[in-house]
Amino acid sequence: AQSVAQPEDQVNVAEGNPLTVKCTYSVSGNPYLFWYVQYPNRGLQFLLKYITGDNLVKGSYGFEAEFNKSQTSFHLKKPSALVSDSALYFCAVRTEGMDSNYQLIWGAGTKLIIKP
Amino acid sequence: EPEVTQTPSHQVTQMGQEVILRCVPISNHLYFYWYRQILGQKVEFLVSFYNNEISEKSEIFDDQFSVERPDGSNFTLKIRSTKLEDSAMYFCASRPLGGVSYEQYFGPGTRLTVT
Repeated sequence: AQSVAQPEDQVNVAEGNPLTVKCTYSVSGNPYLFWYVQYPNRGLQFLLKYITGDNLVKGSYGFEAEFNKSQTSFHLKKPSALVSDSALYFCAVRTEGMDSNYQLIWGAGTKLIIKP
Repeated sequence: EPEVTQTPSHQVTQMGQEVILRCVPISNHLYFYWYRQILGQKVEFLVSFYNNEISEKSEIFDDQFSVERPDGSNFTLKIRSTKLEDSAMYFCASRPLGGVSYEQYFGPGTRLTVT
C-alpha cells in the first residue's frame, strides 16, 4: 500500500536561510508526488508535483523539490526563506492502479515557522 | 484565476442532524473529490465522483454519507445523521479531464463541528 511520511512535525528556519521540509514515500510502482501548502484559514494550495523527468521540480513561490528514487524521498526546498512562507506543508502521493482518476494519500503535514 | 469554492465556511450542528456541505468546482473540471481532516490528523480521502457517479470511496464513506451533483455546478456532501466523530474540516477538490499529471484543486474547506 502507498504511504507518505513527513518525519518532522515542525521546522524552524530564520528568514533568509535555506529551508528543507522532508518527505519520504512508499509505492510499488512509479511515484506521482505532490506538495501542497495550507495557510491559516485557507484551503490546500498546490505547490508542485513530480510525475516524470527531471529530479528537480520547480514550483510556486520559489519552492522546489528534489525527487530521489534511491532514497524514496521528495524533499521540499527553498534557497531563501521568507516570513510569509510560514504555513502547514503537506506531501502527498497519488494512488496507483487507475489511469484516469486517482486519490491522494497524504503525509501528516509539517508546520514551517520562519522567524524574522 | 478560477477557484473551488465551498459553503459554509463553518457549520455547527447537533449530533443526529443531517448536514449538507456545498462545493462549486472549477467550471471545466470533471473529476470531483471530498477529503476530510480531523483536527491534528492527516487529510483523508472520502470519495471521488466522475460522470455523475461515485468512482471510488474509502472505508470512511459509509451509508451515512452521500454525494450529489444536482445541477451541473454544485457538488454536495451529505451526512445523514452526524456523529461527534464527524467533526472535521471537509475539503472539496476538482480536476480537469486528462492524464494523471493534472493536480487536484482544493477549496478552502468547511469546518464541521458536531455537538
